[in-house]
Amino acid sequence: EVQMVESGGGLLKPGGSLRLSCAASGFPFSGAYLSWVRQPPGKGLEWVGHIKSQIDGGTTHYPAFVKDRFLISRDDSKNTLYLQMNSLKTEDTAVYYCTTLSPYYFDLWGRGTLVTVSS
Amino acid sequence: SYVLTQPPSVSVAPGKTATITCEGNNIGSKSVHWYQQKPGQAPKLLMYYNRDRPSGIPERFSGSNSGNTATLTISSVEAGDEADYICQVWNYGEDHLYDFATGTKVTVL
Repeated sequence: EVQMVESGGGLLKPGGSLRLSCAASGFPFSGAYLSWVRQPPGKGLEWVGHIKSQIDGGTTHYPAFVKDRFLISRDDSKNTLYLQMNSLKTEDTAVYYCTTLSPYYFDLWGRGTLVTVSS
Repeated sequence: SYVLTQPPSVSVAPGKTATITCEGNNIGSKSVHWYQQKPGQAPKLLMYYNRDRPSGIPERFSGSNSGNTATLTISSVEAGDEADYICQVWNYGEDHLYDFATGTKVTVL
């Protein structure tokens, strides 16, 4: 079955760190571009960043609002995507989705994992 | 980033046609992608490159894009089409590569 399953969400205080994981199956993971998209409660979708396939350089790209705080990585041997989030703010509270990227749109989505940042 | 504007809500009777717009400056020069998100679920790709449907998406869903408006049309609306519909673009050469609109809630009367 083609799927992506996020894990690692939770409740933490401002300034904290968290690493999300996304386990993928059913498609050639190593050749895929991968992304994280988030959705704050009751709000719209926001691109958080993406990583290219290793064969295309494995480079990462982020929007300005997460640069130097978030880091995306991948382990192709484990078919797993990661999102390391540091210096978390209350406005980072959201459901975080991992997706494949094709490369101009987001085609396969996980179910999401909720991250709540609150004092 | 690039500003995308959608109406907050659209209501439609079963069997009728729903039209959802996505406005942006010269959006016709970009490719627009659409997602369907039902309550409590993850978004699902509904349309890509303005008018292409992924496998499994019914022909009742169609798309177009010209000028300052992209349009998603749902024909013969069914109760199961009740969802949020969200447009998205890719911004060539910009720091903020992907933009989403806030979405349109389609209510089936």
